[in-house]
Amino acid sequence: EIVLTQSPGTLSLSPGERATLSCRASQSVGSNYLAWYQQKPGQAPRLAIYGASSRATGIPDRFSGSGSGTDFTLTINRLEPEDFAVYYCHQYGSSPRTFGQGTKVEVK
Amino acid sequence: EVHLVESGGGLVQPGGSLRLSCAASGFSFSSYSMHWVRQAPGKGLEYVSGIGSAGHITYYANSVEDRFTISRDNSKNMLYLQMGSLRAEDTAVYHCARKDTVMLTLDSWGQGTLVTVSS
Repeated sequence: EIVLTQSPGTLSLSPGERATLSCRASQSVGSNYLAWYQQKPGQAPRLAIYGASSRATGIPDRFSGSGSGTDFTLTINRLEPEDFAVYYCHQYGSSPRTFGQGTKVEVK
Repeated sequence: EVHLVESGGGLVQPGGSLRLSCAASGFSFSSYSMHWVRQAPGKGLEYVSGIGSAGHITYYANSVEDRFTISRDNSKNMLYLQMGSLRAEDTAVYHCARKDTVMLTLDSWGQGTLVTVSS
């Protein structure tokens, strides 16, 4: 199975700053089927990015995804208070689907 | 609006069994592949299992294969997860999720049901 490794584990930033999250796959993700999910405490995950770079419905344009093959990035420009959460990458190009271990974006 | 509500969680002894259910509404259930994803307390997301729209194709994580069985009843808009030979490491909140037909990933999730495996 494809192992996804996210870095850093925790990102401490202030509102208005830029967050850059990394997701590295142990092998190439087929068709760049890589998604990013946002999860807040006590809530279900929310889809933010799919297909490595497409924003899901309702996701503001300060969120952007990039990358291909084995290296992917989620960038959040000008962090808003509601963006502080845990973010998971998820590959759905190979069975079984797998998730990264998560990156927590916390208030500095 | 898509609505997914899980039930059936609870406390079970190691080696025991439990069946989780997921009630779906707000969309044409029989047209969508459905999946289970779990989250151990304070930990990350772990894919568990999935099933095709007609119920003929199933997927399992290595950690649950041969112990868990996924199924669905399209006449009742219900998804199930039969869990057996439960272990302490199966303790988690279990979410059901819908796979979108365009985005091809999990776009709608339920709030989850907690399964605790302990003696």
